[in-house]
Amino acid sequence: NAGVTQTPKFRILKIGQSMTLQCAQDMNHNYMYWYRQDPGMGLKLIYYSVGAGITDKGEVPNGYNVSRSTTEDFPLRLELAAPSQTSVYFCASSYTTDTQYFGPGTRLTVL
Amino acid sequence: DQQVKQNSPSLSVQEGRISILNCDYTNSMFDYFLWYKKYPAEGPTFLISISSIKDKNEDGRFTVFLNKSAKHLSLHIVPSQPGDSAVYFCAATNSNTGNQFYFGTGTSLTVIP
Repeated sequence: NAGVTQTPKFRILKIGQSMTLQCAQDMNHNYMYWYRQDPGMGLKLIYYSVGAGITDKGEVPNGYNVSRSTTEDFPLRLELAAPSQTSVYFCASSYTTDTQYFGPGTRLTVL
Repeated sequence: DQQVKQNSPSLSVQEGRISILNCDYTNSMFDYFLWYKKYPAEGPTFLISISSIKDKNEDGRFTVFLNKSAKHLSLHIVPSQPGDSAVYFCAATNSNTGNQFYFGTGTSLTVIP
């Protein structure tokens, strides 16, 4: 099992550009999550999904969109990048609503 | 509003001694708590969890204690090893709603050989 994979590992965007952060898991987990971690802060939940076709907002959803067309994939879309979105983004998945398995993260800088 | 707090940003401990990491929460509806460990440039990995029906859970060198009345949990690592040097996050959730986990800001543990 590859577990949870995220691409890209690093990205630099200009203000106003858009991009999609990819996340995939091969553990057949129903639950998937996107978090961001700002320096010196804990992880904040952006969006989550309880299964294909179902998504919901977390604590900090503004400026982001998600989709869940398959069990395996949960991409995160930034439409108009802003400097406040400079962060490390982690995707996670879980079989039930307990232990989450995290990907290695995507470090995004918006200049 | 930070519902889960880790008030010690860093902790240094000698190898072989006990490491105690603390976590406080404000939401009395939280009933499931987890500790994650994170190395640089990697995602967090699950370490140990505890349900609110227990006050202690042990897994090898790691023990988590829960004090519901004080809304406080702690992670004990005995004996501490240099490989334990990492950032430790506590997280909490209400298992009835289930889907939102709230993380603390992390404590960076350094175990000195």
